[in-house]
Amino acid sequence: GESVGLHLPTLSVQEGDNSIINCAYSNSASDYFIWYKQESGKGPQFIIDIRSNMDKRQGQRVTVLLNKTVKHLSLQIAATQPGDSAVYFCAERTSSGSARQLTFGSGTQLTVLP
Amino acid sequence: DVKVTQSSRYLVKRTGEKVFLECVQDMDHENMFWYRQDPGLGLRLIYFSYDVKMKEKGDIPEGYSVSREKKERFSLILESASTNQTSMYLCASSPHGRMNTEAFFGQGTRLTVV
Repeated sequence: GESVGLHLPTLSVQEGDNSIINCAYSNSASDYFIWYKQESGKGPQFIIDIRSNMDKRQGQRVTVLLNKTVKHLSLQIAATQPGDSAVYFCAERTSSGSARQLTFGSGTQLTVLP
Repeated sequence: DVKVTQSSRYLVKRTGEKVFLECVQDMDHENMFWYRQDPGLGLRLIYFSYDVKMKEKGDIPEGYSVSREKKERFSLILESASTNQTSMYLCASSPHGRMNTEAFFGQGTRLTVV
């Protein structure tokens, strides 16, 4: 089946630096791409999404870039803080009638160094 | 504050037992999901439901069944638990809206089958 995956399983950055987390996807029929953050001991939490007809979307300290030509998604975190340490998942949404399915990638562990 | 509650945080069951994992959401969401999370594999969709009494197989439904008798409750059933079903199980819910991509997750149930 179709899959969503990540290039790097771990990423370490200095506090204050920018972080870039990458994701490759293969399902061209997905209508949205989403980033989730999972802190230790908690369920994933929504960060930001991007519709498939867009190539960039900005949130608070985060930017998501979508490159449909190479089927690549990235999450940029500006001025990374210790609270950003978590596992980050990309996900894609596919819709079939009323059913909307989210498929997740394998995750990247982000560690923020002091 | 939105809430998805899973009945147990930790569960230990014996091989061959029938196991019920319960999930309740208080947001009147139409969609509910069951995922399992394993190291290096991310979140894999087991089953989802987009309405009461409706269910759809996800990517790994074998060995599982689900029940959605009421809108707020989505149960995952392991008919005969096996050791390879030892995992973290995550329930999520989301509203129907076409523009909505945010799924709300419970805190997870860590199931150990011995």
